Amino acid sequence: GAVVSQHPSRVICKSGTSVKIECRSLDFQATTMFWYRQFPKQSLMLMATSNEGSKATYEQGVEKDKFLINHASLTLSTLTVTSAHPEDSSFYICSAIPGPTNTEAFFGQGTRLTVV
Amino acid sequence: GESVGLHLPTLSVQEGDNSIINCAYSNSASDYFIWYKQESGKGPQFIIDIRSNMDKRQGQRVTVLLNKTVKHLSLQIAATQPGDSAVYFCAENISGAGSYQLTFGKGTKLSVIP
Repeated sequence: GAVVSQHPSRVICKSGTSVKIECRSLDFQATTMFWYRQFPKQSLMLMATSNEGSKATYEQGVEKDKFLINHASLTLSTLTVTSAHPEDSSFYICSAIPGPTNTEAFFGQGTRLTVV
Repeated sequence: GESVGLHLPTLSVQEGDNSIINCAYSNSASDYFIWYKQESGKGPQFIIDIRSNMDKRQGQRVTVLLNKTVKHLSLQIAATQPGDSAVYFCAENISGAGSYQLTFGKGTKLSVIP
């Protein structure tokens, strides 16, 4: 199957700093990418939908100025957590859709963010 | 009552037994359903999917059953193995909406006892 790679897999940052997480589709072009957040022992919660070349669509309650999403190419989307705080510590997961005829979602391996 | 947000439902099965994991979905307009397996510290892994025009689909050792009347989905794993230990999520989608968005269920933790 198609491969989606996230980087880094783990990151620890100081409170107040910004962290960038990359999501790459390695062997296909992704028209749409999604960013999820997952707290321990909970399900995946969709944060935003990222379409190449356009602004991301954020879910209700997700601050777009705090979670900056850029989908500059068909193989790369980035999520930047700005001015991170300990409550932003979580597991962030991306998925990519080849689309439009192939709508299967391929998930990255996730990024564990710890803000200290 | 149970605080589902803090505690995943857990299913413990003996190695070799069959496992049945259940999921209640929320949107009657959903017409595409997927089961994912998530191991600790990893992203979800596709297991099997089913569209609403079917009520059963089989894969290798896995079967998904869909009951649209009661909005219920189940995943059956035959001859459960220790490597099946993980958290299992169902996800739903409205394929005609063009958004490709998935809504995930709460998840069930499967523990296989060797």
